[in-house]
Amino acid sequence: EVQLVESGGGLVQPGGSLRLSCAASGFTFSGYEMNWVRQAPGKGLEWVAYISTSGSISYHADSVKGRFTISRDNAKNSLSLQLSSLRAEDTAVYFCARGESSSGWFGYWGQGTLVSVSS
Amino acid sequence: SYVLTQPPSVSVAPGKTARITCGGNNIGSKSVHWYQQKPGQAPVLVVYDDSARPSGTPERFSGSNSGNTATLTINRVEAGDEADYHCQVWERSSDHWVFGGGTKLPVL
Repeated sequence: EVQLVESGGGLVQPGGSLRLSCAASGFTFSGYEMNWVRQAPGKGLEWVAYISTSGSISYHADSVKGRFTISRDNAKNSLSLQLSSLRAEDTAVYFCARGESSSGWFGYWGQGTLVSVSS
Repeated sequence: SYVLTQPPSVSVAPGKTARITCGGNNIGSKSVHWYQQKPGQAPVLVVYDDSARPSGTPERFSGSNSGNTATLTINRVEAGDEADYHCQVWERSSDHWVFGGGTKLPVL
């Protein structure tokens, strides 16, 4: 059974940093592209970042470019998102999601971890 | 950047047909994917590549895409279909993924 379990969320002050993790199991992690997607309270979904199977290629949404960094450790079946220079508008539930094809759909999602940015 | 536009809410009575639209410039040239999200839960893929259904998605769910509008159609709506629905595309020119704003489907 495919499982994605996020962790690392919490309350952080504006300007602070946080590292989110996503533990993958039930599939060959190194064979799949991965993404982070977030959802602010009461709002829609927003794609945040993508990483290729090897980790050599990554893309970030314009809203987080230069502040967030996606990475992966295939030996540990783990996906990460380093968040820095956090702003109030980064408050959201962050989901990791598995990419399924070249057309870009996400077949499996974790349950999410909440990041709250407030003083 | 590419923008997807969804109506905030679409109401439907049980047993009727719900149609949720997703508008975008020449969206018919892209592959559109749809997710269902119930309160407090993660999104679940219900339609991919415009009209394909993952295993587990009821046949009552179908999708279409042409011109500037993609549509998710839910036939014989049930109370359990009450959820938010999000459309999504991959914007090839920027290597960015784009979601619509989401549509709430209350089953009255």
